[in-house]
Amino acid sequence: ETGVTQSPTHLIKTRGQQVTLRCSSQSGHNTVSWYQQALGQGPQFIFQYYREEENGRGNFPPRFSGLQFPNYSSELNVNALELDDSALYLCASSNSYEQYFGPGTRLTVT
Amino acid sequence: AQRVTQPEKLLSVFKGAPVELKCNYSYSGSPELFWYVQYSRQRLQLLLRHISRESIKGFTADLNKGETSFHLKKPFAQEEDSAMYYCAPYAGNNRKLIWGLGTSLAVNP
Repeated sequence: ETGVTQSPTHLIKTRGQQVTLRCSSQSGHNTVSWYQQALGQGPQFIFQYYREEENGRGNFPPRFSGLQFPNYSSELNVNALELDDSALYLCASSNSYEQYFGPGTRLTVT
Repeated sequence: AQRVTQPEKLLSVFKGAPVELKCNYSYSGSPELFWYVQYSRQRLQLLLRHISRESIKGFTADLNKGETSFHLKKPFAQEEDSAMYYCAPYAGNNRKLIWGLGTSLAVNP
């Protein structure tokens, strides 16, 4: 059984650019949630996808968008990057209540 | 929004001492709460779910609706319990979820 994987591991972008982060869910999981974790903070819920549909969204602006594919892998897209978007982005997959987290993608916006 | 708060950012105890990590919640409906743990250089992982009533690694947590709390407890802390602990609501079903900031537990020899 393969765990949740995320790519890339690290990323440096310039303010105003766009970024796409990827997540492969654990085998058998149909739900993917994305979180933003700033330094010294807890994970903040961005949104969740269930069977390719958005199933819930936190307090993030529309420039944060996502996709889920038929194989349940997912992408997080962030447009018009701002300095405050610098954070660790976590993906978690599940098929019930327990979430299995990936290692995260560290995004730095300069 | 469903919000949980963890008032202690850092908790330091000696090995063998009891430990309690506090979590309070504010919910409009029935809460579904979890404790997640992150050991050094490892991923976040589920420790406890509020309805399971299990004891995992010696930890227990009881949902107290009167006090709106879900504190994590262990009678005798071990050095390997040193980690970051997050109280978290259930994700999904169009809920806006606010995780706690986390409590860093340090168990000293």
